[in-house]
Amino acid sequence: LAKTTQPISMDSYEGQEVNITCSHNNIATNDYITWYQQFPSQGPRFIIQGYKTKVTNEVASLFIPADRKSSTLSLPRVSLSDTAVYYCLVGLYNFNKFYFGSGTKLNVKP
Amino acid sequence: DARVTQTPRDKVTEMGQEVTMRCQPILGHNTVFWYRQTMMQGLELLAYFRNRAPLDDSGMPKDRFSAEMPDATLATLKIQPSEPRDSAVYFCASGLSGARQETQYFGPGTRLLVL
Repeated sequence: LAKTTQPISMDSYEGQEVNITCSHNNIATNDYITWYQQFPSQGPRFIIQGYKTKVTNEVASLFIPADRKSSTLSLPRVSLSDTAVYYCLVGLYNFNKFYFGSGTKLNVKP
Repeated sequence: DARVTQTPRDKVTEMGQEVTMRCQPILGHNTVFWYRQTMMQGLELLAYFRNRAPLDDSGMPKDRFSAEMPDATLATLKIQPSEPRDSAVYFCASGLSGARQETQYFGPGTRLLVL
């Protein structure tokens, strides 16, 4: 079961780019990497998912190096509303096994 | 806009009482998850179902917790008897296994306080 390691917290300022790195040294061949965002008093919400190289959507980018032992979530030009906890999740296709780590609490300051 | 719904949103009960939490997954989703979240333990997976069959409930205290899916539109999580240490937010999530992009859609949660 691939576990993940993320920084506990990060601070940033509005307008900056934020990069959150997640380590998953024992990721398996079939594992996908998924990131979720959670605001207080809400359930986590899907942000982005990838298997290798780079994935981009309207919210974020996900960078995955060739060895796949880590991944970096990149949030361009953050705003105060991006203050949340971000979880890196590694799991087998078909939801077979996965693990939510402790998450990274991002605090965006004005 | 399809969403996972959970009831009740808040529940206060006394130790020893039975607690039942309900979840309606998104129509068409075949996988349902139950999570518990506390400040100390973070987000813990309690159980999950695929096509209504339990696949993994190893995260659930078997002596007092039970999870079922009476039908495809309803998942339940019961605690009997409840204890103060069960106080937490319980999330239900649903997803579509086998889809190109496997995403879990979370409900708003049930905030449980056991006195």
